[in-house]
Amino acid sequence: GAVVSQHPSWVICKSGTSVKIECRSLDFQATTMFWYRQFPKQSLMLMATSNEGSKATYEQGVEKDKFLINHASLTLSTLTVTSAHPEDSSFYICSATPGQGARALNSPLHFGNGTRLTVT
Amino acid sequence: GQNIDQPTEMTATEGAIVQINCTYQTSGFNGLFWYQQHAGEAPTFLSYNVLDGLEEKGRFSSFLSRSKGYSYLLLKELQMKDSASYLCAVRDFSGGYNKLIFGAGTRLAVHP
Repeated sequence: GAVVSQHPSWVICKSGTSVKIECRSLDFQATTMFWYRQFPKQSLMLMATSNEGSKATYEQGVEKDKFLINHASLTLSTLTVTSAHPEDSSFYICSATPGQGARALNSPLHFGNGTRLTVT
Repeated sequence: GQNIDQPTEMTATEGAIVQINCTYQTSGFNGLFWYQQHAGEAPTFLSYNVLDGLEEKGRFSSFLSRSKGYSYLLLKELQMKDSASYLCAVRDFSGGYNKLIFGAGTRLAVHP
Protein backbone atom coordinates (compact mmCIF):
# COMPACT_ATOMS: atom_id res chain seq x y z
CA GLY A 1 0.00 0.00 0.00
CA ALA A 2 0.88 3.65 -0.21
CA VAL A 3 3.47 4.64 2.38
CA VAL A 4 4.22 8.11 3.63
CA SER A 5 7.37 8.62 5.66
CA GLN A 6 7.81 11.59 7.96
CA HIS A 7 11.01 12.65 9.68
CA PRO A 8 11.86 13.33 12.44
CA SER A 9 9.37 11.58 14.70
CA TRP A 10 10.02 14.00 17.47
CA VAL A 11 12.15 17.07 18.00
CA ILE A 12 12.91 19.38 20.89
CA CYS A 13 14.23 22.81 20.05
CA LYS A 14 14.88 26.08 21.78
CA SER A 15 12.67 29.07 21.32
CA GLY A 16 13.76 31.19 18.36
CA THR A 17 15.29 28.37 16.34
CA SER A 18 13.91 26.80 13.17
CA VAL A 19 12.89 23.21 12.63
CA LYS A 20 12.49 21.37 9.33
CA ILE A 21 10.15 18.41 8.95
CA GLU A 22 10.32 16.16 5.90
CA CYS A 23 7.48 14.22 4.32
CA ARG A 24 8.19 11.62 1.67
CA SER A 25 5.92 9.41 -0.39
CA LEU A 26 7.91 6.19 -0.62
CA ASP A 27 6.13 4.18 -3.28
CA PHE A 28 4.06 6.70 -5.18
CA GLN A 29 4.24 10.18 -6.60
CA ALA A 30 2.23 12.95 -5.04
CA THR A 31 1.70 16.28 -6.75
CA THR A 32 -0.13 17.42 -3.67
CA MET A 33 0.66 16.87 -0.03
CA PHE A 34 -1.17 18.22 3.00
CA TRP A 35 0.20 19.45 6.30
CA TYR A 36 -1.90 19.18 9.44
CA ARG A 37 -1.36 20.24 13.03
CA GLN A 38 -2.97 18.63 16.04
CA PHE A 39 -3.00 19.98 19.59
CA PRO A 40 -3.68 17.60 22.50
CA LYS A 41 -7.22 16.20 22.53
CA GLN A 42 -8.13 18.19 19.45
CA SER A 43 -8.65 17.15 15.87
CA LEU A 44 -6.39 17.63 12.90
CA MET A 45 -6.36 21.15 11.55
CA LEU A 46 -5.31 21.62 7.95
CA MET A 47 -2.48 24.12 7.77
CA ALA A 48 -1.62 24.15 4.10
CA THR A 49 -1.67 22.28 0.84
CA SER A 50 1.75 21.69 -0.65
CA ASN A 51 1.85 21.75 -4.45
CA GLU A 52 4.78 20.32 -6.39
CA GLY A 53 6.50 22.99 -8.41
CA SER A 54 4.38 25.86 -7.15
CA LYS A 55 3.54 27.82 -4.03
CA ALA A 56 1.74 26.21 -1.16
CA THR A 57 -1.85 27.17 -0.38
CA TYR A 58 -2.30 28.17 3.24
CA GLU A 59 -5.48 27.95 5.28
CA GLN A 60 -6.89 31.03 6.87
CA GLY A 61 -5.01 32.02 10.01
CA VAL A 62 -1.82 30.13 9.17
CA GLU A 63 1.22 32.40 8.76
CA LYS A 64 2.99 31.49 5.56
CA ASP A 65 6.15 33.30 6.58
CA LYS A 66 6.35 31.28 9.76
CA PHE A 67 5.49 27.89 8.29
CA LEU A 68 7.55 27.58 5.14
CA ILE A 69 6.56 24.80 2.78
CA ASN A 70 8.64 23.52 -0.09
CA HIS A 71 7.52 20.77 -2.48
CA ALA A 72 10.56 20.38 -4.66
CA SER A 73 9.82 16.96 -6.10
CA LEU A 74 6.94 14.55 -6.58
CA THR A 75 7.98 12.59 -3.51
CA LEU A 76 9.15 15.20 -1.02
CA SER A 77 7.57 18.09 0.81
CA THR A 78 9.16 19.95 3.71
CA LEU A 79 7.66 22.13 6.43
CA THR A 80 9.96 24.53 8.23
CA VAL A 81 8.77 26.12 11.43
CA THR A 82 10.74 29.35 11.63
CA SER A 83 11.55 31.15 14.86
CA ALA A 84 9.68 28.54 16.85
CA HIS A 85 7.95 29.50 20.08
CA PRO A 86 6.45 27.32 22.83
CA GLU A 87 2.96 27.85 21.42
CA ASP A 88 4.14 26.10 18.24
CA SER A 89 4.61 22.90 20.22
CA SER A 90 2.25 20.43 18.59
CA PHE A 91 1.91 17.24 16.59
CA TYR A 92 2.54 17.93 12.89
CA ILE A 93 1.33 15.35 10.38
CA CYS A 94 1.74 15.24 6.63
CA SER A 95 -0.40 13.30 4.22
CA ALA A 96 -0.63 12.51 0.55
CA THR A 97 -2.84 10.72 -1.95
CA PRO A 98 -1.47 8.50 -4.70
CA GLY A 99 -2.20 9.44 -8.26
CA GLN A 100 -3.71 12.44 -9.89
CA GLY A 101 -7.09 13.48 -11.16
CA ALA A 102 -9.87 10.93 -10.83
CA ARG A 103 -7.64 8.34 -9.19
CA ALA A 104 -6.66 10.76 -6.46
CA LEU A 105 -10.29 11.68 -5.88
CA ASN A 106 -11.18 8.12 -5.00
CA SER A 107 -8.14 7.44 -2.86
CA PRO A 108 -7.88 8.04 0.86
CA LEU A 109 -5.23 10.24 2.36
CA HIS A 110 -2.25 8.34 3.68
CA PHE A 111 -0.59 9.86 6.70
CA GLY A 112 2.97 9.98 7.87
CA ASN A 113 3.61 8.97 11.46
CA GLY A 114 3.74 12.57 12.57
CA THR A 115 6.34 14.77 14.21
CA ARG A 116 5.96 15.82 17.81
CA LEU A 117 7.55 19.24 18.19
CA THR A 118 8.39 20.61 21.61
CA VAL A 119 9.73 24.14 21.84
CA THR A 120 11.36 25.03 25.14
CA GLY B 1 -17.11 27.23 4.78
CA GLN B 2 -17.26 23.78 6.28
CA ASN B 3 -18.81 22.46 9.45
CA ILE B 4 -18.48 18.90 10.74
CA ASP B 5 -20.15 17.70 13.93
CA GLN B 6 -19.70 14.46 15.82
CA PRO B 7 -20.13 13.51 19.47
CA THR B 8 -17.18 14.21 21.69
CA GLU B 9 -17.18 10.98 23.65
CA MET B 10 -18.90 7.61 23.68
CA THR B 11 -18.59 4.50 25.79
CA ALA B 12 -19.53 0.94 24.92
CA THR B 13 -19.12 -2.60 26.15
CA GLU B 14 -16.82 -5.21 24.68
CA GLY B 15 -18.70 -7.36 22.16
CA ALA B 16 -21.41 -4.76 21.60
CA ILE B 17 -22.22 -2.56 18.60
CA VAL B 18 -21.70 1.20 18.56
CA GLN B 19 -22.75 3.82 16.02
CA ILE B 20 -20.85 7.10 15.72
CA ASN B 21 -22.75 9.81 13.89
CA CYS B 22 -21.39 12.66 11.84
CA THR B 23 -23.20 15.58 10.26
CA TYR B 24 -21.57 17.97 7.88
CA GLN B 25 -22.09 21.10 5.86
CA THR B 26 -19.81 21.88 3.00
CA SER B 27 -20.02 23.77 -0.27
CA GLY B 28 -18.06 21.31 -2.39
CA PHE B 29 -18.69 17.81 -1.04
CA ASN B 30 -16.51 15.22 -2.70
CA GLY B 31 -16.53 12.22 -0.37
CA LEU B 32 -16.54 11.34 3.32
CA PHE B 33 -13.88 9.40 5.18
CA TRP B 34 -13.61 7.78 8.57
CA TYR B 35 -10.27 7.44 10.31
CA GLN B 36 -9.20 5.82 13.56
CA GLN B 37 -6.57 7.48 15.70
CA HIS B 38 -4.93 6.11 18.81
CA ALA B 39 -3.38 8.60 21.19
CA GLY B 40 -0.03 9.89 19.97
CA GLU B 41 -0.30 8.17 16.61
CA ALA B 42 -1.23 9.20 13.10
CA PRO B 43 -4.75 8.45 11.82
CA THR B 44 -5.38 5.24 9.94
CA PHE B 45 -7.94 4.95 7.16
CA LEU B 46 -11.12 3.00 7.91
CA SER B 47 -13.69 3.72 5.21
CA TYR B 48 -14.75 5.97 2.38
CA ASN B 49 -18.19 6.93 1.04
CA VAL B 50 -18.88 9.10 -1.95
CA LEU B 51 -22.30 7.72 -2.94
CA ASP B 52 -25.32 7.23 -0.71
CA GLY B 53 -25.57 3.92 1.06
CA LEU B 54 -23.68 1.52 3.23
CA GLU B 55 -20.10 0.41 2.79
CA GLU B 56 -19.14 -2.67 4.78
CA LYS B 57 -15.61 -3.65 5.66
CA GLY B 58 -15.32 -6.44 8.17
CA ARG B 59 -16.41 -5.26 11.59
CA PHE B 60 -16.68 -1.68 10.38
CA SER B 61 -19.42 -0.21 8.21
CA SER B 62 -20.05 3.35 7.12
CA PHE B 63 -23.21 4.95 5.82
CA LEU B 64 -23.72 8.15 3.88
CA SER B 65 -26.76 10.27 3.03
CA ARG B 66 -25.67 13.23 0.96
CA SER B 67 -29.10 14.86 0.96
CA LYS B 68 -29.10 14.90 4.75
CA GLY B 69 -25.42 15.69 5.16
CA TYR B 70 -25.16 12.69 7.43
CA SER B 71 -22.89 9.73 7.93
CA TYR B 72 -22.33 7.12 10.57
CA LEU B 73 -19.63 4.62 11.40
CA LEU B 74 -20.84 1.31 12.80
CA LEU B 75 -18.47 -0.84 14.80
CA LYS B 76 -19.55 -4.41 15.54
CA GLU B 77 -18.20 -6.99 17.97
CA LEU B 78 -16.31 -4.32 19.83
CA GLN B 79 -12.88 -5.16 21.14
CA MET B 80 -10.82 -3.38 23.76
CA LYS B 81 -8.35 -2.32 21.07
CA ASP B 82 -11.14 -0.34 19.40
CA SER B 83 -10.78 2.26 22.16
CA ALA B 84 -9.56 5.24 20.14
CA SER B 85 -10.67 8.48 18.55
CA TYR B 86 -12.76 8.20 15.40
CA LEU B 87 -12.47 11.08 12.99
CA CYS B 88 -15.07 11.98 10.41
CA ALA B 89 -13.51 13.86 7.50
CA VAL B 90 -15.07 15.48 4.48
CA ARG B 91 -13.31 15.97 1.19
CA ASP B 92 -14.13 19.42 0.01
CA PHE B 93 -13.51 20.68 -3.47
CA SER B 94 -13.37 24.41 -3.33
CA GLY B 95 -10.91 26.93 -4.58
CA GLY B 96 -9.94 24.58 -7.37
CA TYR B 97 -8.47 21.72 -5.36
CA ASN B 98 -9.49 18.98 -2.98
CA LYS B 99 -8.74 19.11 0.71
CA LEU B 100 -9.75 16.90 3.61
CA ILE B 101 -11.37 18.64 6.56
CA PHE B 102 -11.65 16.78 9.85
CA GLY B 103 -14.27 16.87 12.54
CA ALA B 104 -13.21 17.14 16.17
CA GLY B 105 -13.29 13.38 16.58
CA THR B 106 -15.22 11.03 18.86
CA ARG B 107 -13.30 9.39 21.69
CA LEU B 108 -14.63 5.88 22.12
CA ALA B 109 -13.94 3.96 25.32
CA VAL B 110 -14.64 0.22 25.24
CA HIS B 111 -15.14 -1.40 28.64
CA PRO B 112 -15.03 -5.11 29.54
